[in-house]
Amino acid sequence: QSVLTQPSSVSGAPGQRVTISCSGSSSNIGASYAVHWYQHLPGAAPKVLIYDNNNRPSGVPGRFSGSRSGTSASLAISGLQAEDEADYYCQSYDRGLSGWVFGGGTKLTV
Amino acid sequence: QVQLVQSGAEVKKPGASVKVSCKALGYSFTSKYIHWVRQAPGQGLEWVGMIRPSGGYTRYAQKLQGRVTVTRDTSTGTVFMELNSLTSEDTAVYYCARDYSGYDGGYFDYWGQGTLVTVSS
Repeated sequence: QSVLTQPSSVSGAPGQRVTISCSGSSSNIGASYAVHWYQHLPGAAPKVLIYDNNNRPSGVPGRFSGSRSGTSASLAISGLQAEDEADYYCQSYDRGLSGWVFGGGTKLTV
Repeated sequence: QVQLVQSGAEVKKPGASVKVSCKALGYSFTSKYIHWVRQAPGQGLEWVGMIRPSGGYTRYAQKLQGRVTVTRDTSTGTVFMELNSLTSEDTAVYYCARDYSGYDGGYFDYWGQGTLVTVSS
């Protein structure tokens, strides 16, 4: 059972917009720790998509955006493309566990 | 350019230990924390532990405390993750990752290619 809760799967048609939620608690997201998002393709290493809640590293398309409110965060992907099909993970820090924590992951099907 | 290069796949018997290495290239080794993250078959990502290469300060996941040790060799720019008393539940791909931020809750900007550790009798 992950400390951060994500839906196991989401889907959307090409060109559509989807959102992936990440629900935490007062020990992690609610304690103002930043939320980061990663894309994980089979056979590859995870890649950071969003850092510090809503910032995109250079090279990540503007179709990806992040937000945080209260004890939750979300990743939005607009203009879905076939290449976006992957697993997505949120990550933060939990002060009760004194460690970095990940969500359980969400499989996106396009 | 920044690269994290990990050692090759390992096959171990239950009860044994494994030591995986991660060589950092292309930046000042002591300037960034290095973390270990694992992914068991069909499961999600799980944080294992971290080290601050300057000074050797470490932190570990509570679940693995007592079985995992992360060390570093500053002369070669290499970080090691050793896991003891292996069981089948430790079968996973183990990644090292660089922490860009350097504070609690920072993010991982570069990752190694992953090392498959298989525990089987």
